[in-house]
Amino acid sequence: EAAVTQSPRNKVAVTGGKVTLSCNQTNNHNNMYWYRQDTGHGLRLIHYSYGAGSTEKGDIPDGYKASRPSQENFSLILELATPSQTSVYFCASGDEWGNYAEQFFGPGTRLTVL
Amino acid sequence: QQKVQQSPESLIVPEGAMTSLNCTFSDSASQYFAWYRQHSGKAPKALMSIFSNGEKEEGRFTIHLNKASLHFSLHIRDSQPSDSALYLCAPGNMGYKLTFGTGTSLLVDP
Repeated sequence: EAAVTQSPRNKVAVTGGKVTLSCNQTNNHNNMYWYRQDTGHGLRLIHYSYGAGSTEKGDIPDGYKASRPSQENFSLILELATPSQTSVYFCASGDEWGNYAEQFFGPGTRLTVL
Repeated sequence: QQKVQQSPESLIVPEGAMTSLNCTFSDSASQYFAWYRQHSGKAPKALMSIFSNGEKEEGRFTIHLNKASLHFSLHIRDSQPSDSALYLCAPGNMGYKLTFGTGTSLLVDP
């Protein structure tokens, strides 16, 4: 079973503060993704990466940065957190389309910005 | 940007019933079509997927894909209480990106 871990699992931040969410995968997948999940909006893609050193903007990148320093690690950075960024954040890893193109999700981080 | 809509938003079915979930998408260049299941408080987990037009069956679950109609569906035969969850459809396009729908919340009543 593919393994994706996230830290922290819960985070309370203040408005204007910097928040870093971390993700680690041991699947040796090239692609990694950051999503947020809000009621009524489903899962929305924030940033993604095709490998170490690469980051791409997803559908809702404003207010977020991403960093992929290695194959295993992918971080999501909120430089100036706002209450609208209160959400559950999921990291996922996956590989190229083939016969099996599943994305494997981490357990999620619940972020509250006060 | 891909638009994905799911119907119904929520559904209650008796145990043993057939359940049908629908997904429409806007990008005709989509190449991959997946269903994910998310139990309450848990991470989404891939359920099954299809690349080509037609039907694919795995156990009690069947996917139908009609690319021309921009529609795919998930059918659950003999629904069980353990099937109660949020079901997310996700068409995928170039760049190995998935676009998720907002989900159908299924409750199977024992």
